Amino acid sequence: AQSVTQLGSHVSVSEGALVLLRCNYSSSVPPYLFWYVQYPNQGLQLLLKYTTGATLVKGINGFEAEFKKSETSFHLTKPSAHMSDAAEYFCAVRGTNTGNQFYFGTGTSLTVIP
Amino acid sequence: EAGVTQFPSHSVIEKGQTVTLRCDPISGHDNLYWYRRVMGKEIKFLLHFVKESKQDESGMPNNRFLAERTGGTYSTLKVQPAELEDSGVYFCASSQYSGASTGELFFGEGSRLTVL
Repeated sequence: AQSVTQLGSHVSVSEGALVLLRCNYSSSVPPYLFWYVQYPNQGLQLLLKYTTGATLVKGINGFEAEFKKSETSFHLTKPSAHMSDAAEYFCAVRGTNTGNQFYFGTGTSLTVIP
Repeated sequence: EAGVTQFPSHSVIEKGQTVTLRCDPISGHDNLYWYRRVMGKEIKFLLHFVKESKQDESGMPNNRFLAERTGGTYSTLKVQPAELEDSGVYFCASSQYSGASTGELFFGEGSRLTVL
């Protein structure tokens, strides 16, 4: 069975500071891992995904995430926060042997302080 | 190209009433999913259609929920009768590929349901 844990339901950072959103997963098989972002009054959109290959994945808007199998983690980072990054972020895992189900975390709301 | 569209964006109903949510997936996407997020909780899987067939409905909470996808195009999710705990945001998503694919899900903006 797959599951996702996002530590911290709310994270606040100053504009220009490092953004670090944590995600740990549980999966009995090599997972596919995703980060989605939801801006106010919008649907979820894909930030980045890890499937195979390079463990450091770069996404849109300057975000990146690193898959660490030994730590079962897929933390999301951005070197310098921008006001427009304020949104809710969801980590998701999808098992490679399942019928397509995605398992989401509870989400982390990011606030950027000017 | 149009994305996934959902209607209504917000619905407020009383306990015991019926509500029908609609989802139009991206054209050509055979896979359609319904998810729900209760406030503060994770986004939980409800069910998955491949074309008009229900591939997996293991996440449907109970028999008050009925999902259909006639003709393999748009889908409806009916809640009858609605209960207070049904309140939340219902997301629809679609994808082109299924099975052991790396394909992402494309989400709609969600339908917020409030049951009073």
